Amino acid sequence: SSELTQDPAVSVALGQTVRITCQGDSLRKYYASWYQQKPGQAPLLVIYARDNRPSGFPDRFSGSSSGDTASLTITGAQAEDEADYYCSSRDTIGNHVLFGGGTKLTVL
Amino acid sequence: QVQLQESGPGLVKPSQTLSLTCTVSGGSIRRSGYFWTWIRQHPGKGLECIGYIYYSGSSHYNPSLKSRLTISVDTSKNQFSLNLSSVTAADTAVYFCARGDSSSSWDAFDIWGQGTMVTVSS
Repeated sequence: SSELTQDPAVSVALGQTVRITCQGDSLRKYYASWYQQKPGQAPLLVIYARDNRPSGFPDRFSGSSSGDTASLTITGAQAEDEADYYCSSRDTIGNHVLFGGGTKLTVL
Repeated sequence: QVQLQESGPGLVKPSQTLSLTCTVSGGSIRRSGYFWTWIRQHPGKGLECIGYIYYSGSSHYNPSLKSRLTISVDTSKNQFSLNLSSVTAADTAVYFCARGDSSSSWDAFDIWGQGTMVTVSS
């Protein structure tokens, strides 16, 4: 498959938990990575290898995977978490890198 | 601390070649296990992997761009470069360079340049 599908927009109340999902056939074979992008900035790696956080990144961010779906969960969302979130993985052949279309997270 | 910085013209005329360079500082581009990637983002849109290269010179290109694309690496300068020929307005985007890390089951872009806006216009 050559696609990763994300919901275009998700909202969460301040302090609540939100899950952002990413669906694609390649996720049955490869773990997803997740990126946070704020306006005018480069993306920032949030989660890699399904559920690993880069050093220093808040532990309210976690990742999981089941079948063809990967998820990014923010437990206790903060105002600064408002951003676009992108998932990424290899395609099913293993050469090309795919990105999902992105999910715009609004913290209410 | 490794940092990446894109450089190149911000304006390119249609049908010409878009050329960008990414300079790697704070670490060697020759470090094994990493791949050096170009990613672009059309205005208001999502991310698209253009292609990547290892320091050995082995590379992979996005199939949709392959016929117009060349990615090269200059280990002596700790740089890698992008050349995209026959550009059109559809190539107008922010271009990022990024360092890729991977294993057999995952990839991650752990370090990104700040991005450079390239506009294709006469």
